Amino acid sequence: EAQVTQNPRYLITVTGKKLTVTCSQNMNHEYMSWYRQDPGLGLRQIYYSMNVEVTDKGDVPEGYKVSRKEKRNFPLILESPSPNQTSLYFCASSQQGVNQPQHFGDGTRLSIL
Amino acid sequence: GNSVTQMEGPVTLSEEAFLTINCTYTATGYPSLFWYVQYPGEGLQLLLKATKADDKGSNKGFEATYRKETTSFHLEKGSVQVSDSAVYFCALGPRYSGGSNYKLTFGKGTLLTVNP
Repeated sequence: EAQVTQNPRYLITVTGKKLTVTCSQNMNHEYMSWYRQDPGLGLRQIYYSMNVEVTDKGDVPEGYKVSRKEKRNFPLILESPSPNQTSLYFCASSQQGVNQPQHFGDGTRLSIL
Repeated sequence: GNSVTQMEGPVTLSEEAFLTINCTYTATGYPSLFWYVQYPGEGLQLLLKATKADDKGSNKGFEATYRKETTSFHLEKGSVQVSDSAVYFCALGPRYSGGSNYKLTFGKGTLLTVNP
């Protein structure tokens, strides 16, 4: 089954404790991206990747890092999480770019205390 | 820069009512336009799309027409069902490939609740 898998689905942690949210897709997609969803703000893009070893900033990259060492994986790293990063995070992928249907994961709800 | 404005929610309708969710955009060039739907507890999924002026996207009884003159892409459905209850997002993407083909701009979302 074609899918985008995010882990963990839920996480409560404390300020400053490094964490990684993993994202994996099994569709051999070139394009992957991360979004955060906040009430009243909709979805905002954090980072995206056009292919292996090629990444770029979205609209709200501050406080986040990403890497794309393999085509299927695109982890989101919070080196020193802060409470303003409490949010619902989505990973998405598509064959090439945003003009093709984006396949979204089921989301990761992060709470930073 | 690009931006998408959609009507504020929440929208509450009775089953079989007519639905309109307004969406207008600001963009340079000729964007592609999308509607994504998010069912409770799930990620977003593409509902429909249109890539050029006067195109009509349609799926599952929903329709939206790309209106360049009014920079709009309103979502409509003639008779909603309880199962249509979800959050609907209008989104804009650049039409042409290249460096700008990698950023999708979403509206804030509209929560639709359909009562039996």
